[in-house]
Amino acid sequence: KQEVTQIPAALSVPEGENLVLNCSFTDSAIYNLQWFRQDPGKGLTSLLLIQSSQREQTSGRLNASLDKSSGRSTLYIAASQPGDSATYLCAATSGGGADGLTFGKGTHLIIQP
Amino acid sequence: NAGVTQTPKFQVLKTGQSMTLQCAQDMNHEYMSWYRQDPGMGLRLIHYSVGAGITDQGEVPNGYNVSRSTTEDFPLRLLSAAPSQTSVYFCASSLRTHSNQPQHFGDGTRLSIL
Repeated sequence: KQEVTQIPAALSVPEGENLVLNCSFTDSAIYNLQWFRQDPGKGLTSLLLIQSSQREQTSGRLNASLDKSSGRSTLYIAASQPGDSATYLCAATSGGGADGLTFGKGTHLIIQP
Repeated sequence: NAGVTQTPKFQVLKTGQSMTLQCAQDMNHEYMSWYRQDPGMGLRLIHYSVGAGITDQGEVPNGYNVSRSTTEDFPLRLLSAAPSQTSVYFCASSLRTHSNQPQHFGDGTRLSIL
């Protein structure tokens, strides 16, 4: 059974810092890995999706990497802003079957103005 | 383009009552799913559907029922509500099971069982 772990569980940094959020998964036979953002009381918004054959994806100040062999993904946020404050979730899609995403518990990020 | 719409946004039930959480998408997505989100547990898959007329169980299906009579709608039924079903429920959709397209989530239904 796939297990996804996110470290740290919470992070508070001053505005302007570059930061890295970590995600690890136990089964390397993934189809893709997605990073989501969740604001309080809201649903999940997809940030980046990395296919199993890819090593990284970029969108603006966000860069996500994937290393299947080590079972790790990282989300890099450059020049953090207070508006980046949210919970960030990573989720793995299994390579076989149709049983949805396996989520980590998330990293609660606070960017101090 | 509304995306994934969930109703109601909030609901309070008494133990033993039944209700249906509605989910609709207007993106012609084949794959739809329901998750529950609990503190300290993350999101867990309840049921999913790969197309109209096809449903299957996820990780935590007990106490829930689903059907998929149309591509657009995927309602989740609580048969006899229990306090353990107090949670935030999210519906999600994507083009297909393995499409390498991102999943779209609704804003959630916050359900309290007294």
